[in-house]
Amino acid sequence: DGGITQSPKYLFRKEGQNVTLSCEQNLNHDAMYWYRQDPGQGLRLIYYSQIVNDFQKGDIAEGYSVSREKKESFPLTVTSAQKNPTAFYLCASSKVGQGYNQPQHFGDGTRLSIL
Amino acid sequence: KNEVEQSPQNLTAQEGEFITINCSYSVGISALHWLQQHPGGGIVSLFMLSSGKKKHGRLIATINIQEKHSSLHITASHPRDSAVYICAVRWVETSGSRLTFGEGTQLTVNP
Repeated sequence: DGGITQSPKYLFRKEGQNVTLSCEQNLNHDAMYWYRQDPGQGLRLIYYSQIVNDFQKGDIAEGYSVSREKKESFPLTVTSAQKNPTAFYLCASSKVGQGYNQPQHFGDGTRLSIL
Repeated sequence: KNEVEQSPQNLTAQEGEFITINCSYSVGISALHWLQQHPGGGIVSLFMLSSGKKKHGRLIATINIQEKHSSLHITASHPRDSAVYICAVRWVETSGSRLTFGEGTQLTVNP
């Protein structure tokens, strides 16, 4: 079955550490996205990529970095510059076409906490 | 600032009731999505629509482009429908495929 796999499900980070969240998809989708979800707020876009080797900042990119070396993979690094990293992180992917109006498929998320 | 507003924030219903969740947005869109987030956090796409109405099982989504408003209806609600329902839009002026999300509606259906 095709889908999106995020790992790990739970992640703990010490202050000052960088951590990388994994996102892999086997849907053959060109576009991939990273969102952050905080209690009582809507999903906010961190970074997105519509093609391999290219990505754009979303609304809250500061303190995060990404890479898109392969179509299937879009890892997110939460750097020590991100002052409030505790949140639920969701990865998504979609086809690109029909004027960009395509449904997004989501992973199950990674919950990041600071020790 | 372009905004997406959902109402109500929280909704409790008895099994079998007809449920309506509303979504309003501020400017023109090219598509509106309804999503369902389960208690564990995973999100499933329910509908994507740009006009009219779509139906899937007990779920119905409608959109009124002139009024900038969409509704998600659940007929004969069941406890397994308990989840957070999220509205998201792609603005007409957006380049690319990025979406803006509402804060979600927490639905609880009691047996």
